[in-house]
Amino acid sequence: NAGVTQTPKFQVLKTGQSMTLQCAQDMNHNSMYWYRQDPGMGLRLIYYSASEGTTDKGEVPNGYNVSRLNKREFSLRLESAAPSQTSVYFCASSDIGTEYSNQPQHFGDGTRLSIL
Amino acid sequence: AQSVSQHNHHVILSEAASLELGCNYSYGGTVNLFWYVQYPGQHLQLLLKYFSGDPLVKGIKGFEAEFIKSKFSFNLRKPSVQWSDTAEYFCAVNARSGGYNKLIFGAGTRLAVHP
Repeated sequence: NAGVTQTPKFQVLKTGQSMTLQCAQDMNHNSMYWYRQDPGMGLRLIYYSASEGTTDKGEVPNGYNVSRLNKREFSLRLESAAPSQTSVYFCASSDIGTEYSNQPQHFGDGTRLSIL
Repeated sequence: AQSVSQHNHHVILSEAASLELGCNYSYGGTVNLFWYVQYPGQHLQLLLKYFSGDPLVKGIKGFEAEFIKSKFSFNLRKPSVQWSDTAEYFCAVNARSGGYNKLIFGAGTRLAVHP
């Protein structure tokens, strides 16, 4: 059971370099999410995609862009990496929620990104 | 703005001790509440969830949580912890924005259980 697959697992970048983090899910979920996890701050939502063809900003979108390539794939791009973007990045997916119900999210294993 | 507050950032217990992790939220609408667990080096996994009905929710691995609407709380409990419960625990609440539900996470509580 693959679930949510993220690549790469580790990456070191220099300031100013660009990079795309890949995420794919095989659960036929409509909604996908990108979070960053920093010590003492929990998970913060960067961008999300409620369904194929739509993307929206989350809590901390600055410096990032996303692409919902198809129903399975949701990529996160850093155009010009900065040291403040050093973090662990998690992708997640879920069934689409309703007005009164939020479906549990399934998480990938994360990408540890260090920017020097 | 919606927020989730976890009172304890670090908790250290001995095996067989009882556990209670606090979680309070601020959100005026209908809530869905979750506890996630992250074992060292792993991704987040759903521990339990509350949508409606019985406010005492039972999850995996002997964990339970009680939703107290009047206190805006959803505390996590376990009667007797094991070394394998060493992990970071996150409380999360749904937040409705722009016609869509999103999860707001607390900062997390690191639990260390000593043999």
